[in-house]
Amino acid sequence: AQSVTQLDSQVPVFEEAPVELRCNYSSSVSVYLFWYVQYPNQGLQLLLKYLSGSTLVESINGFEAEFNKSQTSFHLRKPSVHISDTAEYFCAVSESNDYKLSFGAGTTVTVRA
Amino acid sequence: GAVVSQHPSWVICKSGTSVKIECRSLDFQATTMFWYRQFPKQSLMLMATSNEGSKATYEQGVEKDKFLINHASLTLSTLTVTSAHPEDSSFYICSAYRDRGSYEQYFGPGTRLTVT
Repeated sequence: AQSVTQLDSQVPVFEEAPVELRCNYSSSVSVYLFWYVQYPNQGLQLLLKYLSGSTLVESINGFEAEFNKSQTSFHLRKPSVHISDTAEYFCAVSESNDYKLSFGAGTTVTVRA
Repeated sequence: GAVVSQHPSWVICKSGTSVKIECRSLDFQATTMFWYRQFPKQSLMLMATSNEGSKATYEQGVEKDKFLINHASLTLSTLTVTSAHPEDSSFYICSAYRDRGSYEQYFGPGTRLTVT
């Protein structure tokens, strides 16, 4: 079975500053990795995913994450955040032969002006 | 994008009663849906996998007789919490795949259950 650890429960950040959300996983088999975002009073939405190929994946709103197999990590970064990025961010993993997701505990990002 | 809805968005029930939560895929057919439970400030915990036309598959530790799942059509799955107790109070979330090959799950907005 796989597990996911998000090392930061809360991350306050000023607008236009960079942010990094850390995610580490453990699994005995190959995995697929995901970041989901949950805006206030909304359902989870997929931000980006790594299935195969380039280890650096990007979202349409400026986030990126890099799969590091040796460090079993999938950290999420954005070079300049906006107020609208205030949300809960969840890292998730599935085994590559399975469709079930295991989630981290989530990181609350609060962007201040 | 694909839309998944849940009804109700919140419900209060008395201890010992049963409550049903609906999960619908509004613009796609979902042969597989998932039910999660989320405690405050905690992660989503997968409860069960709901398969259209067959029995749900429950995760270890989840009481299948207490959390009844029915997936009678390609757009509707229901979760019934039977003989609810205060410890069942939680946030219940469903999700579905529109295209299994994309490995992208679409999530409903969740249902807040409070058992008094």
